[in-house]
This record gives sequence, C-alpha cells and structure tokens, in this order.
Amino acid sequence: QKEVEQNSGPLSVPEGAIASLNCTYSDRGSQSFFWYRQYSGKSPELIMFIYSNGDKEDGRFTAQLNKASQYVSLLIRDSQPSDSATYLCAGGGGADGLTFGKGTHLIIQP
Amino acid sequence: DAMVIQNPRYQVTQFGKPVTLSCSQTLNHNVMYWYQQKSSQAPKLLFHYYDKDFNNEADTPDNFQSRRPNTSFCFLDIRSPGLGDAAMYLCATSRGGDSLQHFGDGTRLSIL
Repeated sequence: QKEVEQNSGPLSVPEGAIASLNCTYSDRGSQSFFWYRQYSGKSPELIMFIYSNGDKEDGRFTAQLNKASQYVSLLIRDSQPSDSATYLCAGGGGADGLTFGKGTHLIIQP
Repeated sequence: DAMVIQNPRYQVTQFGKPVTLSCSQTLNHNVMYWYQQKSSQAPKLLFHYYDKDFNNEADTPDNFQSRRPNTSFCFLDIRSPGLGDAAMYLCATSRGGDSLQHFGDGTRLSIL
C-alpha cells in the first residue's frame, strides 16, 4: 500500500519567517514528488516538483528530497499571509496516478 | 491558454439519481485521471485512461464509471450516488510517462 504521511497541523508561522513542511512516503518505487497548494474549496495548484536527491529552489520555495530516508520537504521563505493554505505532498512514478498526503494546514500570522 | 476544464463547477443531484461530470483538455495529453477528494482528506485516485486503456483502482466502487470518447474529453459517471459520494472531483492530465499532472478547477458534487 502506497502511503504519503504529513502532519495535518495547523502549522502557525509569523509573517516573514520560514515555513517548513515535511512529508514521508512508503513506496520506494516513487520517482517524482510534488508539492501542491490548495486553498479552501479550490483545486490543487502545483508549487514545486523534484525528481532527484538534494535541493531545488524556485523563488521563495525550496523543495528537498532524500530518497534514502524517504523524506520530502518544502521550505517557504519570507512567508506571506497569502501563503496560508493547505499544502499537499504527492508522490508517483510514470503515468500512474499520484499518491497524496492529507496535507498540512499552514497559517501565516500577520 | 492550454488548460483542463471541468464542467460543471458545482453539481447538485438527488440520492440515487445518476450524474455525469465532464472534463476536457487542450493540452493534447494522452493520460487523463479522475480523483475524489472529500473534506479535509487527500485526493484519492479513482481511475485513469492511458490513451484508450482504462485503469481502475482496486478500491474504486463499481458505482463509479468513466468514458473517454476521444483524446480531449473524459467523463465520470456515478450510477447511483449515495450521501458518501459528496466530494470534490478533480480531473487531471499528463503526458504519458511523465508524473507531472495538470489539474482542472474541480467539480463540487452535493447529494440531496
């Protein structure tokens, strides 16, 4: 059974600080990992994807992947109130569907 | 802009009355997916089409069916909706072999 685990939160972070979101996965066959942001009642929006071990940076966002530890993380620098949302971690391989975690509810406090 | 479009955005149906949700795409992707997301839960894959090949998840109820008449369109049919089927239904597409998926805005289904 493929599983992706996330702490549901809420995770409360002051505006301007770094938000750190974490996820672990069970399927060693998963090759690709994704972070989606989802506002209440809306569809998931892709924030970052990472395929290789190490760090990947895009603007204020950094994704980190450690395949040996089966661990994925997302760092959000200079957190803004508009970053308040649920962040979904997902893993997959090839054309098969993604396995999602339940998401971490992030609150950025002004 | 190339995109994934779901219709309708909101659908209300009666208990037991069949309902069809629609998804279309202009990305020319050969893989299309349907996910179900209940409140505060993870999106759950129901099934996907790789070209014309239908792939059903083992735990998808028989009540849920899908059709893909051509590359651009895919439908989700719920034959006899129950109260437990109230959820957001998400359509996504990808280019074969690529895990990167593009999601539509979703259809929120309510059951009376």
